[in-house]
Amino acid sequence: QVQLRESGPGLVKPSETLSLTCNVSGYSINTGYYWGWIRQPPGKGLEWIGSIYHTVSAYYNPSLESRVTISVDRSKNQVSLKLNSVTAADTAVYFCARDGGLAEAVDYWGLGTLVTVSS
Amino acid sequence: DIQMTQSPSSLSASVGDRITITCRASQGISNDLAWFQQKPGKAPKSLISAASSLQSGVPSKFSGSGSGTVFTLTISSLQPEDFATYYCQQYNRYPLTFGGGTKVEIK
Repeated sequence: QVQLRESGPGLVKPSETLSLTCNVSGYSINTGYYWGWIRQPPGKGLEWIGSIYHTVSAYYNPSLESRVTISVDRSKNQVSLKLNSVTAADTAVYFCARDGGLAEAVDYWGLGTLVTVSS
Repeated sequence: DIQMTQSPSSLSASVGDRITITCRASQGISNDLAWFQQKPGKAPKSLISAASSLQSGVPSKFSGSGSGTVFTLTISSLQPEDFATYYCQQYNRYPLTFGGGTKVEIK
């Protein structure tokens, strides 16, 4: 059974960098699929942040592209998200997800982790 | 970006009702459309991919249809566990985009 679990600080100061890690179990990220991040501000809808395939191809939402980096650590079977220069608008629940890029839909989601941007 | 518009944004229904939610894409996306269910405080759950294919373990009371720009999600015979918010998402073109959601409430 594929399981994804996000971890990282729940509070980040404005202008600093948000860093999250997604631990994947039950499936090797080396095998395939895209691994991505999706966020949801409190009381609002879902926003795709970006996805990465192995370590080769990463795709980002243009609205965040200048501030975001998604990477994978094959040895740890982890996917990471870094979002720099955060503001209160980046306060959200951040979900890790497995998707098929432009070929298949998201099929597995992490539980999500709330990150609050505040001084 | 491809805009995804869901309607209605909310609806009230009774246990046993059949409901339909519509999702419209701002341009053709073939059948590259997924539906998700989200309950308060929980992660979304994948229901349907490729517009009409049920994800593993999803009951057959959920069905999806459509192609191009107009898609529907139908739930036959609503049960208490089906009251939730439903989202559509296109994966035809980057950036991947979601509809605004449809909240299904108990009448």
